[in-house]
Amino acid sequence: QVQLVQSGAEVKKPGASVKVSCKVSGNTFTSYYMHWVRQAPGRGLEWMGLIDPSGRSTTYAQKFQGRVTMTRDTSTSAVYMELSSLRSEDTAVYYCARAVGSSGSLAFDVWGQGTMVTVSS
Amino acid sequence: SYELTQPPSVSVSPGQTASITCFGDKLGDKYACWYQQKPGQSPVLVIYQDTKRPSGIPERFSGSNSGNAATLTISGTQAMDEADYYCKAWDSSTVVFGGGTKLTVL
Repeated sequence: QVQLVQSGAEVKKPGASVKVSCKVSGNTFTSYYMHWVRQAPGRGLEWMGLIDPSGRSTTYAQKFQGRVTMTRDTSTSAVYMELSSLRSEDTAVYYCARAVGSSGSLAFDVWGQGTMVTVSS
Repeated sequence: SYELTQPPSVSVSPGQTASITCFGDKLGDKYACWYQQKPGQSPVLVIYQDTKRPSGIPERFSGSNSGNAATLTISGTQAMDEADYYCKAWDSSTVVFGGGTKLTVL
């Protein structure tokens, strides 16, 4: 059973950066696209972007381009999401999710437990 | 940019059928997914590729997608189905979520 285990809660000041990790258990790390989704308090789900199985290709939502970087480390079976120039509106729970299916029909079948990031001065 | 629109809330009596609709331009030409999220929990996939149920999802959950709307139907709704539900589609290499619908079972 694949599990995604994320790093712990973070508190950051405006203007700082945060890096959230997502460790993938099981032997399927290099087979799947991984996505990041965030959810502000009391709000809906917001897609941030994806990283391909090789780690060489990423696609970011236009809203986050220039501020987000997604990477993956095969040696640790982990994916990472770094968000820079943080502002209060970035306060949210950040989720990693595994994608299955082809690009037109992909679905997120496994999710991490979420990482709360609070941006406050 | 592509948008998916859902009603903010839907109410249903226990044992009745709940329907949640997601609207998007030519959504029927894309594949829709549905996620269930209970308070304090991560989302759970309940429908993918318009109509398919992942292993472990009860048969009372079903989906359809045609024209400009995808619909999640819960037959014989139970109290445990009370949650937020989100539709999702893939458009131009990006993922789009609907705004979410709070399903109340009362």
